[in-house]
Amino acid sequence: ELKVEQNPLFLSMQEGKNYTIYCNYSTTSDRLYWYRQDPGKSLESLFVLLSNGAVKQEGRLMASLDTKARLSTLHITAAVHDLSATYFCAVDPTSGTYKYIFGTGTRLKVLA
Amino acid sequence: SQTIHQWPATLVQPVGSPLSLECTVEGTSNPNLYWYRQAAGRGLQLLFYSVGIGQISSEVPQNLSASRPQDRQFILSSKKLLLSDSGFYLCAWSGQGVSKNIQYFGAGTRLSVL
Repeated sequence: ELKVEQNPLFLSMQEGKNYTIYCNYSTTSDRLYWYRQDPGKSLESLFVLLSNGAVKQEGRLMASLDTKARLSTLHITAAVHDLSATYFCAVDPTSGTYKYIFGTGTRLKVLA
Repeated sequence: SQTIHQWPATLVQPVGSPLSLECTVEGTSNPNLYWYRQAAGRGLQLLFYSVGIGQISSEVPQNLSASRPQDRQFILSSKKLLLSDSGFYLCAWSGQGVSKNIQYFGAGTRLSVL
């Protein structure tokens, strides 16, 4: 069974702190995506990682991909309250159809 | 630029009633289209995807069906809703080809079956 697991599931952190969210997947894939979801809202694309060793950064967020370890990380630097949301990673295990398998999600709360 | 529209935004339906949710995409042609469901506080489950008009693939056996009557229109239906059909339904699209593999999501429909 294809699995995409994120940890932690819940994360409460103080503003200004750093933390990393992990995304492990159980199938071969060289494409991984990160999305953000605000409460009651849809999903917003954050990062697209298309090869082993890919690293993308946007503001206080940085995502990386290690396809050999089947692991992606989303690193948060000096967190601010506006980053509070649920973060999902998604893997496309089937070439050509872009059928994502979503992770369980990490609910992040940044405390002022 | 491309946009995706989904409606209605909120729907409350009695058990046993029919359902029709609509999704349309503008500004692109021949997109891949997807329907997802998200239970409260949970991740996303892919329900259906389509790579072209009339081409529908079902991922999970259930009480729902999907149709794609036009290139940029994707419809999710049910003849008789169940309580377990409640959830947040999201439509998404992606382009064709490896370089266009990001899925873009609509605003979603929150369905409550009572």
